[in-house]
Amino acid sequence: GQSLEQPSEVTAVEGAIVQINCTYQTSGFYGLSWYQQHDGGAPTFLSYNALDGLEETGRFSSFLSRSDSYGYLLLQELQMKDSASYFCAVRDKAGTALIFGKGTTLSVSS
Amino acid sequence: NAGVTQTPKFQVLKTGQSMTLQCAQDMNHNSMYWYRQDPGMGLRLIYYSASEGTTDKGEVPNGYNVSRLNKREFSLRLESAAPSQTSVYFCASMLLAEETQYFGPGTRLLVL
Repeated sequence: GQSLEQPSEVTAVEGAIVQINCTYQTSGFYGLSWYQQHDGGAPTFLSYNALDGLEETGRFSSFLSRSDSYGYLLLQELQMKDSASYFCAVRDKAGTALIFGKGTTLSVSS
Repeated sequence: NAGVTQTPKFQVLKTGQSMTLQCAQDMNHNSMYWYRQDPGMGLRLIYYSASEGTTDKGEVPNGYNVSRLNKREFSLRLESAAPSQTSVYFCASMLLAEETQYFGPGTRLLVL
């Protein structure tokens, strides 16, 4: 089956850089997605990597290594509003649904 | 363009009561999903519908049923609610080729 591992909590200060890692096990791999969820809100899509390498979108970047079954989300120039939970996700065996990790809670302090 | 909508926003049930959570999307997506979210457990897939007319079990389907009423609507039914079903329920939709899942605002359910 599919499984994903990510740290449960990360803390950082404003202006810093933080990396949230995700390792996965899948029976069929399509790509790795990242979602952000603020407290009390709904998850929203951040990024998707199908191929090895780094994808950059503003202050956020996402990296994938298919050979290592590993990816990470890099958040730069941290702001208080980045305090949220971050989830990595992969497609299920059938390729028609997303399976999510348990999430990493990021706390940014001033 | 409302995206994904869910009703109700909040609900309190007594053990053994039944209810249906409603979800609709206006993005013409083929695939729709129901997740539950509990503290420390992330988002767990309950059921999904890859296309109109099909439904499949996810990771935690026991105690739930679903209906894909048409392309827009996907409902989740609890036939006999249990305290273990206290959770936040999210509906989502997706166009698989776009690799982006869109979530509704969630339904907060408390079963006493």
